[in-house]
Amino acid sequence: RKEVEQDPGPFNVPEGATVAFNCTYSNSASQSFFWYRQDCRKEPKLLMSVYSSGNEDGRFTAQLNRASQYISLLIRDSKLSDSATYLCVVNDYGQNFVFGPGTRLSVLP
Amino acid sequence: DTEVTQTPKHLVMGMTNKKSLKCEQHMGHRAMYWYKQKAKKPPELMFVYSYEKLSINESVPSRFSPECPNSSLLNLHLHALQPEDSALYLCASSPVTQETQYFGPGTRLLVL
Repeated sequence: RKEVEQDPGPFNVPEGATVAFNCTYSNSASQSFFWYRQDCRKEPKLLMSVYSSGNEDGRFTAQLNRASQYISLLIRDSKLSDSATYLCVVNDYGQNFVFGPGTRLSVLP
Repeated sequence: DTEVTQTPKHLVMGMTNKKSLKCEQHMGHRAMYWYKQKAKKPPELMFVYSYEKLSINESVPSRFSPECPNSSLLNLHLHALQPEDSALYLCASSPVTQETQYFGPGTRLLVL
């Protein structure tokens, strides 16, 4: 079983739609969690850290469920500029970052 | 300033060449990383430096040789690479290991 799993997509959604991504991780000792976005031929950029209590940043909401070992990202009112690959990242104590395979999102006009 | 810079942006090299990739950050971060990323795949960790000491080497072939001359600089020396080593090489830094990592724009490497 892979350490971090994501649905690769692609998710094709119209502008204004709400879309949700899930990510599961296998190591119950994982300490910290992040969502990064990566545009084509660019470097990954931090979108948001994921906290146990859940957190929101504008149109983006991240949730962590430690019992079920998954994290989620919700994007409301999708914009064309949200089209990217979304990488789930889990930081295992002593093992640094483990990247999921990424979920590709295309927001269509 | 949350910037990590990398040079060169692009590099084409033959299998007998020796070249170096450079990475620099001035955020006072004490952890720096090299990743390799192939098309449509996530980044794969290669090396981790913590307080200028190599702390993780993810079984990378010896034709890749990292160097950390000081806390702001990270180099990756390349020698006798293979065509399958062609990829995007990303540098990242974080305040200390296990904290949020910030990535540079990468060096796109083509080995002929």
